[in-house]
Amino acid sequence: IAGITQAPTSQILAAGRRMTLRCTQDMRHNAMYWYRQDLGLGLRLIHYSNTAGTTGKGEVPDGYSVSRANTDDFPLTLASAVPSQTSVYFCASSVRIEGYNEQFFGPGTRLTVL
Amino acid sequence: LAKTTQPISMDSYEGQEVNITCSHNNIATNDYITWYQQFPSQGPRFIIQGYKTKVTNEVASLFIPADRKSSTLSLPRVSLSDTAVYYCLVGVHQGGKLIFGQGTELSVKP
Repeated sequence: IAGITQAPTSQILAAGRRMTLRCTQDMRHNAMYWYRQDLGLGLRLIHYSNTAGTTGKGEVPDGYSVSRANTDDFPLTLASAVPSQTSVYFCASSVRIEGYNEQFFGPGTRLTVL
Repeated sequence: LAKTTQPISMDSYEGQEVNITCSHNNIATNDYITWYQQFPSQGPRFIIQGYKTKVTNEVASLFIPADRKSSTLSLPRVSLSDTAVYYCLVGVHQGGKLIFGQGTELSVKP
């Protein structure tokens, strides 16, 4: 069972370039999330999707877009990368288990924008 | 959105019980309280979730007072491998906007 996979593992990107971070889950979870983690700031929610075909804005959505064409995939796109988007990006999905909800996180993508 | 406040860091020794308290004064009626653990270079991992009173599982206990304006994660007899960052979250899952906050960096010493 793979759980949640993210690609690439790491990437160095020139400012102004377009970049798509991939996230795939094989657990058939309805809800998926994208977070960024910066030193000293914890994790901040970028975008989320409660179910295939719907998306919503999180805490820091500017400069990012997402799509949810199916249950398994939730790509995050940086249309024109800027250095302030240098961060570690985590994808997550959630499921309700016996009365509570649990988020499962991917291994992360380390992105550096120069 | 309910904001959480936790201590930035805590130190402990192996074998001790560790209690990490989180304040969430503006928690909403439908909000649950959830704790996650994160090791360096890994994504967070779910520890425990509760709504009120006390919840216990194989790794931790969660104490929530009647007013629900705070919660305490209790880790019994910590080991070196419990060194990690612990996050308190308040919100409704399957509804989007969960706020992680800065977390508490727990350091367990031998």
